[in-house]
Amino acid sequence: SQTIHQWPATLVQPVGSPLSLECTVEGTSNPNLYWYRQAAGRGLQLLFYSVGIGQISSEVPQNLSASRPQDRQFILSSKKLLLSDSGFYLCAWGKDGAAQAFFGQGTRLTVV
Amino acid sequence: GENVEQHPSTLSVQEGDSAVIKCTYSDSASNYFPWYKQELGKRPQLIIDIRSNVGEKKDQRIAVTLNKTAKHFSLHITETQPEDSAVYFCAASSGVYSGGGADGLTFGKGTHLIIQP
Repeated sequence: SQTIHQWPATLVQPVGSPLSLECTVEGTSNPNLYWYRQAAGRGLQLLFYSVGIGQISSEVPQNLSASRPQDRQFILSSKKLLLSDSGFYLCAWGKDGAAQAFFGQGTRLTVV
Repeated sequence: GENVEQHPSTLSVQEGDSAVIKCTYSDSASNYFPWYKQELGKRPQLIIDIRSNVGEKKDQRIAVTLNKTAKHFSLHITETQPEDSAVYFCAASSGVYSGGGADGLTFGKGTHLIIQP
């Protein structure tokens, strides 16, 4: 069966520091991968999606970037965090044509 | 792009009663409509979904209806129980692949469902 791993679970970072969140999927090949952000009390906002290695599409221009160095690895990064980057970051995977998205356990990021 | 509106933002019902959450979408090309349940501090979990070629789908106490003409879909929970308390999100996908989804989901802002004992 497929599983998705995301770490760390919580993170407190100072303003201006870099960020790297990692997500890996097991049990499937060539998944579609997504990064979503959920601000406190808000819905989920799609940040990036990827249909293959090195293929990244950005939905919202911002302080963040994403990379997909391997088929089942998706990384969310920032060179300099802002206070407004605080939130609950969720990685998700899906299969082409299946449409369903399954979420990782999330990373709660607090920028101080 | 797609825009999904969800109502109400908060819904309080007595245990045993039914709950209905409604969503509307803007993109007529959307063809996949999932519902997620999110408990406090946890990840959203897919609970039911419906595709555009179906008008209704049921899974035990949960059902979803879709009206493509009006571009709205609803979640129905019957015989509510305390464990149904959570935030529920609707979503829509207008991806270019069959069934949609390659370019991600657009979510509603969520409904906080409270089950009163």
